[in-house]
Amino acid sequence: QVQLVQSGAEVKKPGASVNISCKASGYTFTNHYIHWLRQAPGQGPEWMGLIKTSGGDTSYAQNFQGRVTLTRDTSTSTVYLELSSLSSEATAVYYCARTVGSHFDCWGQGTRVTVSS
Amino acid sequence: QSALTQPPSASGSPGQSVTISCTGTSRDVGANNYVSWYQQHPGKAPKLIIYDVIKRPSGVPDRFSGSKSGNTASLTVSGLQAEDEADYYCSSYAGSDNYVFGTGTKVTVL
Repeated sequence: QVQLVQSGAEVKKPGASVNISCKASGYTFTNHYIHWLRQAPGQGPEWMGLIKTSGGDTSYAQNFQGRVTLTRDTSTSTVYLELSSLSSEATAVYYCARTVGSHFDCWGQGTRVTVSS
Repeated sequence: QSALTQPPSASGSPGQSVTISCTGTSRDVGANNYVSWYQQHPGKAPKLIIYDVIKRPSGVPDRFSGSKSGNTASLTVSGLQAEDEADYYCSSYAGSDNYVFGTGTKVTVL
């Protein structure tokens, strides 16, 4: 079955960077874009950006430009999110999700990132 | 890109219907038919329940339906059941490979 499995929870200090992975299985990896979304406590998902898994092109939300980098490894069907210059505002659950057309049909289980000194 | 506007809460008794609105702009909700809705239970990932404004994925009960008029989309849950108590979020394609989500609505089954 189609599945996205994310890496485990992270605790980081302010100013640090974090890398989260999202491994896809159950479908042809390069046929679907992978997106990342942030959900802060008590809030809705916020779209961060996407990577076109076939060619590697990326698109980022304006709020995250310059602080987020998305990469992919087609040999392992894995997408990576790097978020730099972390502040307490980055404390959230991060989700990867696949799109079919323009809707998110499969989500990862979420990765909790805590930023604390 | 501003979040789509949803009412913070909605409620209904079992068997009743509840409708949730999702208001955007002519650059997102009003620009295309790519509005989708997601149900999220506490501690879980969001789950797709409506896509392309009115379509339901396989396995989603037909109690869930969607519609759109102008810059506002709506989700209706008919015949409310206890398991429908959750947070609901709308989303829209906003052009140029951008997406926007709603502020979320907490549905309570009384």
